[in-house]
Amino acid sequence: QLQLQESGPGLVRPSETLSLTCAVSGVSVTSYTHHWDWIRQPPGTGLEWIGSIYYSGSTYYNPSLQSRVTMSVDTSKNDFSLNLSSVTAADTAVYYCARRVAGDWYFGLWGRGTLVTVSS
Amino acid sequence: QSALTQPASVSGSPGQSITISCTGTSSDLGSYNLVSWYQHHPDKAPKLLIYEVTKRPSGLSDRFSGSKSGNTASLTISGLQAEDEADYYCCSYAGSSSLVFGGGTKLTVL
Repeated sequence: QLQLQESGPGLVRPSETLSLTCAVSGVSVTSYTHHWDWIRQPPGTGLEWIGSIYYSGSTYYNPSLQSRVTMSVDTSKNDFSLNLSSVTAADTAVYYCARRVAGDWYFGLWGRGTLVTVSS
Repeated sequence: QSALTQPASVSGSPGQSITISCTGTSSDLGSYNLVSWYQHHPDKAPKLLIYEVTKRPSGLSDRFSGSKSGNTASLTISGLQAEDEADYYCCSYAGSSSLVFGGGTKLTVL
């Protein structure tokens, strides 16, 4: 059964880089039939799409975050990662990883999310 | 890329129907029939309700339905139940392989 599980530090200091990983089970991250996304929800606000990484390695990012975001895939661990640099308190949020079927523009599967707090 | 606009809150009594609107622009929601809706209970993963404006995932109750007119999409929940109380988000393809979410609507079942 396909499952996603986020992991990473729950606390990051301002100006540092937030790094999260999404472990994928039930399918290969290099499967051409899937795309992998990150989405976040700051406290008290709505969801925000961060970006996508495709099986080909192509990446697409939210223009508002593009200068600070990097996504990658680790085929040896069957997971994919999010790096967000130069974080501030505004980056405090629950971060979700999610899956889209290639060619589709909706999320049929989400991880449970992980809270990341940016604070000194 | 601005967030889609949703009402902050809606409410209804059990058995009633409610509709949540989601307004975008001609550059995103209005240009594509690629609107999806999600139900989000606290501390749980969001759940897909509607995709491609009107389609329901297999096994989902037909109490949930979607529509779109111009730059506005709508989610209708009929026969409200207590467990429908949650936050609801719309999402649309926004071009250039990007997506945009709405600000979310809190549904209260009275």
